[in-house]
Amino acid sequence: GEDVEQSLFLSVREGDSSVINCTYTDSSSTYLYWYKQEPGAGLQLLTYIFSNMDMKQDQRLTVLLNKKDKHLSLRIADTQTGDSAIYFCAESYSSASKIIFGSGTRLSIRP
Amino acid sequence: GAVVSQHPSWVICKSGTSVKIECRSLDFQATTMFWYRQFPKQSLMLMATSNEGSKATYEQGVEKDKFLINHASLTLSTLTVTSAHPEDSSFYICSARGGYSADTQYFGPGTRLTVL
Repeated sequence: GEDVEQSLFLSVREGDSSVINCTYTDSSSTYLYWYKQEPGAGLQLLTYIFSNMDMKQDQRLTVLLNKKDKHLSLRIADTQTGDSAIYFCAESYSSASKIIFGSGTRLSIRP
Repeated sequence: GAVVSQHPSWVICKSGTSVKIECRSLDFQATTMFWYRQFPKQSLMLMATSNEGSKATYEQGVEKDKFLINHASLTLSTLTVTSAHPEDSSFYICSARGGYSADTQYFGPGTRLTVL
């Protein structure tokens, strides 16, 4: 079945790098996403990676994919207070199919 | 571009009443819209997928007679929670696919429903 798992909480110091990890079970997943949700708001797509890629970098964000282990990570460099949010890992088989979300990781920033 | 709005942003209603939530794609035509439900501190659960002009496809365990979905135009989908009960209290989020990047789902800001 389809399942996406993440740790629930992560606390980092301002200026450090944050690494949020995710594992998924569906090996046929083609699209792997990272979404950000700020309090009381909807979801913002941060980035996504195709399953035939190992890495994708976009400014402060780096996504690493280990397809063999079905492990996805999101690294946020130079973490700022504005990065405080819940980060959801998600996967889908195709762009037209439904998206399966993980439980979300709450990132908190300490001074 | 690619903005999705929801109305209302929050609503409080009495048990037994029906509540309608609107989801609009403001600057693009959404061929497909999705409705999700999110319980506090939990993930999003897909409720149904709707394509413009056709009946919605509901996920297993979601009561289609309780959660009525209408996708009458390419920019508007509505979710009506009928005969609402306190256990229907939740955060309802819609998303829309279409526009510049047909591969991407754009999410609305969500509607918080509280049933007393």
